[in-house]
Amino acid sequence: QQKVQQSPESLSVPEGGMASFNCTSSDRNFQYFWWYRQHSGEGPKALMSIFSDGDKKEGRFTAHLNKASLHVSLHIRDSQPSDSALYFCAASPSGGNYKPTFGKGTSLVVHP
Amino acid sequence: EAAVTQSPRNKVAVTGGKVTLSCNQTNNHNNMYWYRQDTGHGLRLIHYSYGAGSTEKGDIPDGYKASRPSQENFSLILELATPSQTSVYFCASGEGSLSGNTLYFGEGSRLIVV
Repeated sequence: QQKVQQSPESLSVPEGGMASFNCTSSDRNFQYFWWYRQHSGEGPKALMSIFSDGDKKEGRFTAHLNKASLHVSLHIRDSQPSDSALYFCAASPSGGNYKPTFGKGTSLVVHP
Repeated sequence: EAAVTQSPRNKVAVTGGKVTLSCNQTNNHNNMYWYRQDTGHGLRLIHYSYGAGSTEKGDIPDGYKASRPSQENFSLILELATPSQTSVYFCASGEGSLSGNTLYFGEGSRLIVV
């Protein structure tokens, strides 16, 4: 079973709209979460990390973590065509040398 | 900013041939990783390393070897390439700090095995 599951597989939103991504872990040891973004033809880049329950906001991006349910979400407000990309959720037990486990990703298209 | 450089960026290999994918990082990170990315599978970990001289098997190591001769360099070796190894390969370095192991990826190496 995939330890990190993402939904939806793909998402299409209008420019200026809200894009929302979900990620759930089946491993209760996973306590640290990241969101990565990958534009076509490039490598993934870390977008946000969240390690504590609650919300974390960085500009147009807001992540929310609920450790009890092992659920993390990412919301992009005022979506732009440049936000069109593949979004990965990653999780690990803690910091240090633990290697992150990635979900399969959600493809976002922001249309004008 | 963290820098991870991969070479070659594109490679066509013949079945049964040997392929070496190279990765160099200037971040002075102890941890390095090799992933492959295929549609429908996301990023899958092949091999990783905690420092010079060390290599560890990831989730899908069969058919691959890894070499970490120095802090900066980490190579992925396909001794006998097969068409099923056609993919995009990403190298990453990781901070490995107690505050979180954020990964920094290279731009990828696209491999086609014919």
